[in-house]
Amino acid sequence: QLQLQESGPGLVKPSETLSLTCTVSGGSISSNHYYWGWIRQPPGKGLEWIASIYYTGSTYYNISLQSRVSISVDRSKNQFSLKMSSVTAADTAVYFCARTIHSGESQTAFDIWGQGTMVTVSS
Amino acid sequence: QSALTQPASVSASPGQSITISCTGTSSDVGAYNYVSWYQQHPGKAPKLIISDVSNRPSGVSNRFSGSKSGNAASLTISGLQAEDEADYYCSSYTSRSTPVFGGGTKLTVL
Repeated sequence: QLQLQESGPGLVKPSETLSLTCTVSGGSISSNHYYWGWIRQPPGKGLEWIASIYYTGSTYYNISLQSRVSISVDRSKNQFSLKMSSVTAADTAVYFCARTIHSGESQTAFDIWGQGTMVTVSS
Repeated sequence: QSALTQPASVSASPGQSITISCTGTSSDVGAYNYVSWYQQHPGKAPKLIISDVSNRPSGVSNRFSGSKSGNAASLTISGLQAEDEADYYCSSYTSRSTPVFGGGTKLTVL
């Protein structure tokens, strides 16, 4: 049974870079059937898609965040990662990683989610 | 990319049915049959309950159903149960080649 687990620091200082990793277990990140994505949820608010990546390295970004965000994949470790630069308090959120079903290049649904990791931006 | 529009809250009694709307544009909901719905209980990760407008993943109750007309999609929950009380989010693929979520709807079972 495939599982995803987020990891990374729970506290990041303003203006610094947030770095998170999602470890995939019970399946291969190199499957051509899925994309892999990051979604966040500020406290008490809704979901916001951040970025997705295919095992080949093709990337997709939320246009409102793309200047600060980078997603990458490490197939040897079965992991994918998120980096977000110049963070502010507005980036405080629970960050989820998720497996994404696709049809061609269309990302159609997020079918398996990690439990989420809370990241607080504060000095 | 603007979020899809959902009602902030809906409520109903056990046994009743409810419908949650998800309104987008001709660049997202109206353009693709890639609308999905998620159920999220407090402190938990979202769970996929509907994909591709109306497909239920294995293990999801048949009390959940989805549909779409034009630029709007809908999630219907029939025979409401206490365990259905949760937040519900829609999502759609968009012409920007990226997904977008709705603002979420809080369902209260009275």
